[in-house]
Amino acid sequence: DQQVKQNSPSLSVQEGRISILNCDYTNSMFDYFLWYKKYPAEGPTFLISISSIKDKNEDGRFTVFLNKSAKHLSLHIVPSQPGDSAVYFCAVTTSGTYKYIFGTGTRLKVLA
Amino acid sequence: GAGVSQSPSNKVTEKGKDVELRCDPISGHTALYWYRQSLGQGLEFLIYFQGNSAPDKSGLPSDRFSAERTGGSVSTLTIQRTQQEDSAVYLCASSFRGTGNTIYFGEGSWLTVV
Repeated sequence: DQQVKQNSPSLSVQEGRISILNCDYTNSMFDYFLWYKKYPAEGPTFLISISSIKDKNEDGRFTVFLNKSAKHLSLHIVPSQPGDSAVYFCAVTTSGTYKYIFGTGTRLKVLA
Repeated sequence: GAGVSQSPSNKVTEKGKDVELRCDPISGHTALYWYRQSLGQGLEFLIYFQGNSAPDKSGLPSDRFSAERTGGSVSTLTIQRTQQEDSAVYLCASSFRGTGNTIYFGEGSWLTVV
């Protein structure tokens, strides 16, 4: 019973185009959402986060969108670069708790 | 230190042997997590420490797994009588308060049981 789902295990995008990674969650109690990037043989690195009081947060080429009614989270990368090729995990948590639940990841490949 | 530090970075062990994995969290972080990622799988929660509170061990897969955190800082994850299915990367993470904050991961300890 997965509480967080990343339904696309992989995604290929041409360099310079937009990459859109999606994440769905089941529990409306989750109120803090994060994206992590993981290169092979390295630990996940924090990318960007969003609180449930917002519906968008932008940091350079990375934008996270939150649709609370749909329980859907997305990460947009524009323009995509070959160095963005990695596995991307979404994570969710509820303020006041400590449980961070991760999705299974989406492998992004940006083609030069 | 500047980031979460884990050791060893790689460990190959024979089935049935015990292994210890170490994690040194970011200075000042009171919350410490252990996760595991098996090949082709997502991040699996193992255990959580917060300050002096009793740890949440609900994610430990069997009684062969244990973890401790000494002095509220360094943590050791111990796997006894290792099995091949224990092969995975073991990731340690820490955060400032552990609730609604960003958690930061170490590079991981890659365990291979042969």
